[in-house]
Amino acid sequence: KAGVTQTPRYLIKTRGQQVTLSCSPISGHRSVSWYQQTPGQGLQFLFEYFSETQRNKGNFPGRFSGRQFSNSRSEMNVSTLELGDSALYLCASSSVAGGSVDTQYFGPGTRLTVL
Amino acid sequence: GDSVTQMEGPVTLSEEAFLTINCTYTATGYPSLFWYVQYPGEGLQLLLKATKADDKGSNKGFEATYRKETTSFHLEKGSVQVSDSAVYFCALKTYQAGTALIFGKGTTLSVSS
Repeated sequence: KAGVTQTPRYLIKTRGQQVTLSCSPISGHRSVSWYQQTPGQGLQFLFEYFSETQRNKGNFPGRFSGRQFSNSRSEMNVSTLELGDSALYLCASSSVAGGSVDTQYFGPGTRLTVL
Repeated sequence: GDSVTQMEGPVTLSEEAFLTINCTYTATGYPSLFWYVQYPGEGLQLLLKATKADDKGSNKGFEATYRKETTSFHLEKGSVQVSDSAVYFCALKTYQAGTALIFGKGTTLSVSS
């Protein structure tokens, strides 16, 4: 079974631009979560989607948004980019939403650099 | 709030040495506990997990036991290899938090031959 895929793998943008990242979950998985990884803050939860609905949201400004399509693929968007948005953005999928026992499987990430 | 504390790195070992990476947690309710590994330039891979007290997770020679009394989930391996060099993250998830994983800061392991 194919793993979680993320596109693009690398992205360079300038301040003020917006960016869209894509994630395709493992086949049959309906929950997609997004995380931001930076050297200073570590791994932080952005939001989670299940059946096209946002079910959970981390503590990030409204410039960060996402959506999920009927085939479970997900996109996240960052508007008005800031230098501090430079990070590795990781997508994870799991077969169910909520609960503590389900396992999240991560993609390789998208490395975003904001100049 | 819920949190995970990992030992500071980097941890530098010779091949075949014994590895311990400490992890303690603070959580409401009964969390599930995870160890993830990140190799250079890659995403996170699940290494092992435990979902209730006294459970032992194991994979690829790594082990960790869920200790509720000490709120710990220390990672151990009896004999490390150069290929184990990576960053290791301890994480927890609670029912109250939904699917959000809460991660420790990560511990860098460097193994030399």
